[in-house]
Amino acid sequence: EAGVTQSPTHLIKTRGQQATLRCSPISGHTSVYWYQQALGLGLQFLLWYDEGEERNRGNFPPRFSGRQFPNYSSELNVNALELEDSALYLCASSPGDRPFYEQYFGPGTRLTVT
Amino acid sequence: GQNIDQPTEMTATEGAIVQINCTYQTSGFNGLFWYQQHAGEAPTFLSYNVLDGLEEKGRFSSFLSRSKGYSYLLLKELQMKDSASYLCASPGAGNMLTFGGGTRLMVKP
Repeated sequence: EAGVTQSPTHLIKTRGQQATLRCSPISGHTSVYWYQQALGLGLQFLLWYDEGEERNRGNFPPRFSGRQFPNYSSELNVNALELEDSALYLCASSPGDRPFYEQYFGPGTRLTVT
Repeated sequence: GQNIDQPTEMTATEGAIVQINCTYQTSGFNGLFWYQQHAGEAPTFLSYNVLDGLEEKGRFSSFLSRSKGYSYLLLKELQMKDSASYLCASPGAGNMLTFGGGTRLMVKP
């Protein structure tokens, strides 16, 4: 069974640009989560999508947005990039919308903003 | 709100036992997860506790006390490959997993 996949592996952008990160969940999983892991900091929850809808978002500005497609894959968009957006962005999926479902993580996209 | 605390770093010797503690303050408790994360890699699931007590899974065990807001991860017969960060996390409202800062474990020969 294929795991959660993310693309690209690395992304280098300049301040003010936009970044698009992609995630494909495990087959059969309907929930997709996005987390930010900045250097030296813990994982911070960004967004949760389930069945195509945004179900929850963390304490991040509106320039962080995303969507979930009918095939349950997801996209995270970061507009007006700032230097502090440099981080590892992790996507996770789970088989449903219950909080006790294990979240399976992808390998991450490392975003560098210069 | 949710607040999860765990030690920043620990060092242990190969073959020994180490206990990594995690304290949490949550409303609407939905259990506690432990994840392992090697440097530069994605977190991988280790355990999930929702009831009090110890759950053993090979060399790794996880304990939960809901009344004390306390959990620990116990690693036995430490191996060099166990050097990693260990993250405890609790799902809150809206399935938001709140993570502790992680405990970086260094296993020395």
